[in-house]
Parts: sequence; structure tokens; C-alpha cells
Amino acid sequence: DTGVSQNPRHKITKRGQNVTFRCDPISEHNRLYWYRQTLGQGPEFLTYFQNEAQLEKSRLLSDRFSAERPKGSFSTLEIQRTEQGDSAMYLCASSWPALGANVLTFGAGSRLTVL
Amino acid sequence: DQQVKQNSPSLSVQEGRISILNCDYTNSMFDYFLWYKKYPAEGPTFLISISSIKDKNEDGRFTVFLNKSAKHLSLHIVPSQPGDSAVYFCAASPSGTYKYIFGTGTRLKVLA
Repeated sequence: DTGVSQNPRHKITKRGQNVTFRCDPISEHNRLYWYRQTLGQGPEFLTYFQNEAQLEKSRLLSDRFSAERPKGSFSTLEIQRTEQGDSAMYLCASSWPALGANVLTFGAGSRLTVL
Repeated sequence: DQQVKQNSPSLSVQEGRISILNCDYTNSMFDYFLWYKKYPAEGPTFLISISSIKDKNEDGRFTVFLNKSAKHLSLHIVPSQPGDSAVYFCAASPSGTYKYIFGTGTRLKVLA
């Protein structure tokens, strides 16, 4: 297993355009998370899935953001009508809770720059 | 509202000495805690965890201590090595959920 894979690694776009990021989790992991990280800050929770069900979405998340996880495998995060404030590293993580532990394994992230 | 705080943005330690990274939280419902290390241009890498039913967990050079009454945890790295230079994040999970809330991180520099 190659771990959590995210694509693209870098995306530069103009304000107002839509962007989509893809995350392929570790195959046996049933939970998938999206986080956003800006410079000097820790990862900020956006949303998470258990299998194909989206269980929680941050109330700070604009309705321009939408995430899906069809069939409980890979996930996509779409940002519509991007704004400069959306520039950040978007991190995906997956987990398989066992014995009370829920350790997140992160991908390398997708860096978004909005011009 | 920052529920998980890492009040030291940076820390420098001599190689071979102990590094102590601190984390404070405000929500008494947090019941599981993780520490991550992050190098530039990479995702965070898991280091060590601790459940709220314990006050200490050890894994090699890394030990995490949890003081529930003070709502404080710390990560000890002994001995510190230059390869430990990275940004360290603590993360806490509220009981009954599976999400984690992260602190702002502490940049550790281990000097050779």
C-alpha cells in the first residue's frame, strides 16, 4: 500500500474558477478526512466520511465547498468560485479505528494558490 | 475559539538533550490525543497517542504525558536528534466524535 495519495499536488487558479482535489485513502480505511492548513496554523478540520456517508462538516465551511466519497473509496473536494482566501494546503487523511484508537494517516497535501 | 493551544511557536534544543513540547486544551470532553511531526512540503506524520484513561505513553525516544486536571499534555523527546527538527502538532478528539482539532504547532530545531 502506498499510503494516502492526493492529486494534484499543486494547483494555481484564477479567482472565480472552480477546482477539484482528489484523495485516495489507504484501501482498508473506512474513515476519510479533509483538513485545510494555512501558513503558521495547524490543520483545520473541514469534513469527514465514514464509508460513503459524510458524518460531519465544519460550520465554518462555506457552501462553495463540497466533498464527496462515492462508493466509500476515493474522495473529491470541490471549491467553487475560488477566492484568494481559499489559498491553502488541503490535506486528506484516512483511518481505521481499532481498539479505541483512531490514528489519522495524512497524505502529502494539495497546495492551492488563488491569484 | 482555539480549543487546542501550543503557546510556544518555536523551540531550540542541543542535540542529545531533552525536547519538551507543550499543549493545552480547553474542552474537558477531549478523550484522545495525538502528536504529529511535519516536515516542509509533506503531510503530518503520526508520532504517538494517548487516551484520557492514561497519564503516560512511551514509544522509544518519545513519551507523552497527560495531566487531565490541568488540561495539559507534553511530548518529551530524549535524546533529541537533528532529524527531529520539524513542526510538531498536538491534536485532540472530542468524546463521541472521530474528528481531531489541531493546535497551531511548535517548530523544533535541534542543533548539532
